[in-house]
Amino acid sequence: GAVVSQHPSRVICKSGTSVKIECRSLDFQATTMFWYRQFPKKSLMLMATSNEGSKATYEQGVEKDKFLINHASLTLSTLTVTSAHPEDSSFYICSAIQGAHGEAFFGQGTRLTVV
Amino acid sequence: GENVEQHPSTLSVQEGDSAVIKCTYSDSASNYFPWYKQELGKGPQLIIDIRSNVGEKKDQRIAVTLNKTAKHFSLHITETQPEDSAVYFCAATLNYQLIWGAGTKLIIKP
Repeated sequence: GAVVSQHPSRVICKSGTSVKIECRSLDFQATTMFWYRQFPKKSLMLMATSNEGSKATYEQGVEKDKFLINHASLTLSTLTVTSAHPEDSSFYICSAIQGAHGEAFFGQGTRLTVV
Repeated sequence: GENVEQHPSTLSVQEGDSAVIKCTYSDSASNYFPWYKQELGKGPQLIIDIRSNVGEKKDQRIAVTLNKTAKHFSLHITETQPEDSAVYFCAATLNYQLIWGAGTKLIIKP
């Protein structure tokens, strides 16, 4: 299957700082990528849909200014958690759609801990 | 909108036995149903999928069945092995957006 690489896998940051997470489609181009947040023992919660060359579409309740998404190329989308607080600590996962039938492939996830 | 329900939330089976996880969906327009396996601390991995024009698909020990009339689909794992232990998620897709089930924690007892 297709490969989606997410980096970093783990990050610890101080409260008030910003953290950038990268999501790359390694062997295919992805006009659309998705960002999810996952709480312990819970299913994935869609945060936003990232569209190459245009603004991301955020789900209800997700702060646009808090979670900045940039999809500058067909192989890279970034999620920046700005002014991070401990409640932002979570597992963040990206996915990219490949092919006409819409198979979704996921990155390895990023464990963010804000201290 | 689409709603996906997944059962059971936890499933414990003896190694070598079969495991079945079931999902139901609400929107008959959904046309693609993937299953993902997620190991601790990792992103979900696509293990098998089925489209609405097919009733069953098999890949070695894993199979998925789809009943469009009843709007439910199931994951079947035969001859379970310790490495099958993980959380499994079903999803229904409408316009490329995945609607997730709540997940099933599969435990394989030695």
